[in-house]
Amino acid sequence: AQSVTQLGSHVSVSEGALVLLRCNYSSSVPPYLFWYVQYPNQGLQLLLKYTTGATLVKGINGFEAEFKKSETSFHLTKPSAHMSDAAEYFCAVSPMNTGFQKLVFGTGTRLLVSP
Amino acid sequence: DVKVTQSSRYLVKRTGEKVFLECVQDMDHENMFWYRQDPGLGLRLIYFSYDVKMKEKGDIPEGYSVSREKKERFSLILESASTNQTSMYLCASTFDSLNTEAFFGQGTRLTVV
Repeated sequence: AQSVTQLGSHVSVSEGALVLLRCNYSSSVPPYLFWYVQYPNQGLQLLLKYTTGATLVKGINGFEAEFKKSETSFHLTKPSAHMSDAAEYFCAVSPMNTGFQKLVFGTGTRLLVSP
Repeated sequence: DVKVTQSSRYLVKRTGEKVFLECVQDMDHENMFWYRQDPGLGLRLIYFSYDVKMKEKGDIPEGYSVSREKKERFSLILESASTNQTSMYLCASTFDSLNTEAFFGQGTRLTVV
């Protein structure tokens, strides 16, 4: 079964520092790939997605992610963290063998930003 | 804007009760999903539906059933609630397989006592 691994349940950075959240997937055929963010007491919202085409994807709030097929990775980055980035981040995949219908999520990474 | 609405933000039910969680989307989406979210476990797929009256089991369907009689509504049913079903339940929808951005409801925090 398709799986998604997010390394690190918590990541702490200082305001202004680089943010790097890691995501790896298990599939011989690249799925569609997503990053979602969840702020406290809210549902999830889409940050960015990769389906086909350019492997560097830009999203909202200054985030971007790069699809690397050889590494089966889709890490999320932001050059300079802001206090408002503190939230939980989920990587998700939509496997080709489900017609890209199904969405499978990782266990999430909580980003903590200190002043 | 797409809106996914879950009928309750908070629910408290007794062990053994039959529980209905309702989800409605207003943008004619084909696919709808039910997840439960638990600390350290992320979102786990319970069931999803890609058409009216069509459903597929997700990763943790045991103890749950679903109903999709109309395209806009997807219901999650706990036939006999148990304390281990205390969790946050999230509903989501996507337009189709080509437009796969998922839109989520605000979640229902269910406590079974």
